[in-house]
Amino acid sequence: DIQMTQSPSSLSASVGDRVTITCRASQSISSYLNWYQQKPGKAPKLLIYAASSLQSGVPSRFSGSGSGTDFTLTISSLQPEDFATYYCQQSYSTPPYSFGQGTKLEIK
Amino acid sequence: QVQLQESGPGLVKPSETLSLTCTVSGGSISSYYWSWIRQPAGKGLEWIGRIYTSGSTNYNPSLKSRVTMSVDTSKNQFSLKLSSVTAADTAVYYCARELDYGDYEDYFDYWGQGTLVTVSS
Repeated sequence: DIQMTQSPSSLSASVGDRVTITCRASQSISSYLNWYQQKPGKAPKLLIYAASSLQSGVPSRFSGSGSGTDFTLTISSLQPEDFATYYCQQSYSTPPYSFGQGTKLEIK
Repeated sequence: QVQLQESGPGLVKPSETLSLTCTVSGGSISSYYWSWIRQPAGKGLEWIGRIYTSGSTNYNPSLKSRVTMSVDTSKNQFSLKLSSVTAADTAVYYCARELDYGDYEDYFDYWGQGTLVTVSS
């Protein structure tokens, strides 16, 4: 099974900051990497698919990059509504799909 | 706008079978993969498995011996059964649609709101 490891597990930042979250796969997954945002009590929401493609309706301050085993999610200028937990997910191999453990982004 | 809604008992006794149904509205269930994903309180997401509208399935090996999925295209529904449950199966269970366009585009684009299932006597 492919293991996904995110860092950091938690992060404190201020509105307007630039934030980067990293996701590492235990083996190469090419560009089969997606990012989701989850707010408390809500289902995850797709932000980025195929490592760097922005889902329709998602603000352009979100961006993704990487391929192979190392990926990043960047928020260029944090907004109040961005404070949430972020998950990466690989769709390279089935079964099973796997998610990172999550990165909780909190207000400093 | 596609919408997914999970339904089923919120409380299941240990050793019994958890049964959930996901109803899809606003679009056809046909020609997609449909997944179940769960999340214990305060923890991360675990993919349980998926079913295609033909009935073909893939399950997480960690749960495979206890999982059964089915689909009813006439009702635009798909279902999950998880047998021999324990307290470790207590979680919010989500259903989700998977888009698989190839060329690295394979992701969950629509999710249900989630339903909490507690395993307790």
